[in-house]
Formats: sequence, C-alpha cells, structure tokens
Amino acid sequence: EVQVLEFGGGLVQPGGSLRLSCAASGFTFSMYTMTWVRQPPGKGLEWVSSISGSGHSTYDADSVKGRFTVSRDNSKNMLYLQMNTLRAEDTALYYCAKENQGWLDPWGQGTLVTVSS
Amino acid sequence: SYELTQSLSVSVALGQTARITCGGNNIGSKNVHWYQQKPGQAPVVLIYRDDNRPSGIPERFSGSNSGNTATLTISRAQAGDEADYYCQVWDNYTWVFGGGTKLTVL
Repeated sequence: EVQVLEFGGGLVQPGGSLRLSCAASGFTFSMYTMTWVRQPPGKGLEWVSSISGSGHSTYDADSVKGRFTVSRDNSKNMLYLQMNTLRAEDTALYYCAKENQGWLDPWGQGTLVTVSS
Repeated sequence: SYELTQSLSVSVALGQTARITCGGNNIGSKNVHWYQQKPGQAPVVLIYRDDNRPSGIPERFSGSNSGNTATLTISRAQAGDEADYYCQVWDNYTWVFGGGTKLTVL
C-alpha cells in the first residue's frame, strides 16, 4: 500500500526553526516528485514546496521562498521540510503528498505546526 | 500567478445533483484535479485530469473542464458527501488550489 506519514510538528516561537519529516512506503520513492501542502486552521489548502525525484530540482511558493527548504533522502525514502524564520502565519497542518503527473495522492494525515510566543 | 476561483458553499438536497465549479483563465487548457476533504481528515483525490476517477471513487462523482470553468458533479448526493471540495491545477512548476467549496446536503 502506498503511504506517506508526516511527523516533526510542534510549538515554536516566532523566528524559530523546525524540521518536518515525511516517511514514504509502498512505491519507488526516487521516481516521484514529492510535495508539501499546508492548511491553516479553518482555512484552505496552500501549496508550499515540491522536489523532483532526484532531488535536483526544487520549487517553492513565494510565501516561503528563502525561509523553507525542501529536501529528500532517497536511500531512506524520506522527505524533509526545513522551516526557518517562522512566522505566526506559518501556523498550519502540514501535509506531504506524492505527486502523480500533476495531482497529489496519497496525502498523509498531516503534522501540526504552531508558531506562537 | 494563476488563480482558481470556487464558490464558498453549495447546498444540495439529498438524492439530487450538486455541481461545484472552479474558475480560471482558460482553465480548459489545463488538467484539473479535484479533492474531497471531510472534517478532521486529509484530502483525497476524487477526480484527476479533468474527468478520471481513481479506483474506489463512486461513479456518482464526475468532472468536466472547458473554457474558463471546470465542474465537479456529484449525482444522487448522500449525507456522507458533506465535505470541503478543492480544485487544483499545475501551472509552471506551481501547484495551485482553489479556495475550496463547502458542500451541505440538506
């Protein structure tokens, strides 16, 4: 079964850093672009970052460019999101998802990031 | 940057047909994907590439895309269809989501 599972969320102060992880299983991880999507409490979905299967190409939303870095370790089937200089507006449930020629499936259950003092 | 527009909410009577639209400039030239998100759950893909259903998705769910509007149609609406629905496209290395539509089944 194709699965992804996020972890690493938590409470962090404004200006702080956090690293999210996503464990993938059930598919040839290195062949697929992986994506992070977030959802602020009570709001809609927002694309955050994506990374190609090889890891050589990354893409970031303007709202996180220069602060967040997506990476992967294909030897471990792991996806990461390093989040620096966090702001209150980064508070959200963060999902990772496998990209399939444009659409995202499956999604994990998400990991909650709360930025607050 | 490309934008997708969805109505905030749609209501449908039990057993009737609901249509949820997603507007975008010449969206008909893009592949549109639809997700269903029930409260407390992760999104699930309902329709991919305009009108394709993943295995396990009931035939009651269908999609179309032309001109400036893509449409998700839910036939014979059930109480369990109450959820938020999001459209999404890929545009120049960005993954764009609509704002989401809340479906209420009366």
